[in-house]
Amino acid sequence: GAVVSQHPSRVICKSGTSVKIECRSLDFQATTMFWYRQFPKQSLMLMATSNEGSKATYEQGVEKDKFLINHASLTLSTLTVTSAHPEDSSFYICSARMTGAGKYGYTFGSGTRLTVV
Amino acid sequence: EDKVVQSPLSLVVHEGDTVTLNCSYEVTNFRSLLWYKQEKKAPTFLFMLTSSGIEKKSGRLSSILDKKELFSILNITATQTGDSAVYLCAVEAGGYQKVTFGTGTKLQVIP
Repeated sequence: GAVVSQHPSRVICKSGTSVKIECRSLDFQATTMFWYRQFPKQSLMLMATSNEGSKATYEQGVEKDKFLINHASLTLSTLTVTSAHPEDSSFYICSARMTGAGKYGYTFGSGTRLTVV
Repeated sequence: EDKVVQSPLSLVVHEGDTVTLNCSYEVTNFRSLLWYKQEKKAPTFLFMLTSSGIEKKSGRLSSILDKKELFSILNITATQTGDSAVYLCAVEAGGYQKVTFGTGTKLQVIP
């Protein structure tokens, strides 16, 4: 139980285009989803907290207009990288807090490797 | 600003050795401390600790939290090559359930 499905797992796009990444909670309702970015050999850096039905909360230094987050339902949150540039190439991963009896911690999506060429 | 610091940054051991990974933190409104194992993609959950002094165990892995000294350790006994991974410590704090990750400890277990 408590599975988060993330798509796509890998995407290559041209500079200037936009890319949408989806995270779905498959067997639970995720009122809050967290979006992280991970550079090679570095830890996960929180980009924003996505709340169902309201605006996302962005961390300092993260451009709201560049990384658009939508959390339209209790099971779906999306991150759109707009006008992507090579420096946006990274590993993006979402997570949600597990809820329910016997469930602890956070569950992660499988991540999206974005390469901007 | 919340901080989570892990040590060592990397570690190479032989199969059968016991390792101890450290995590210290400075956060406002601590809620829980989490340990994850990350191999190639998404981190996999290991432990969630909320109370001091209570050891959590899962097979050869165990972890304990000291809320007075603000640190946690993750022990792995009788290490195997399959234990090779990056081990991440994270702390959940504040009202928004914000999770801050440490830099990770890269563990390599050689035969």
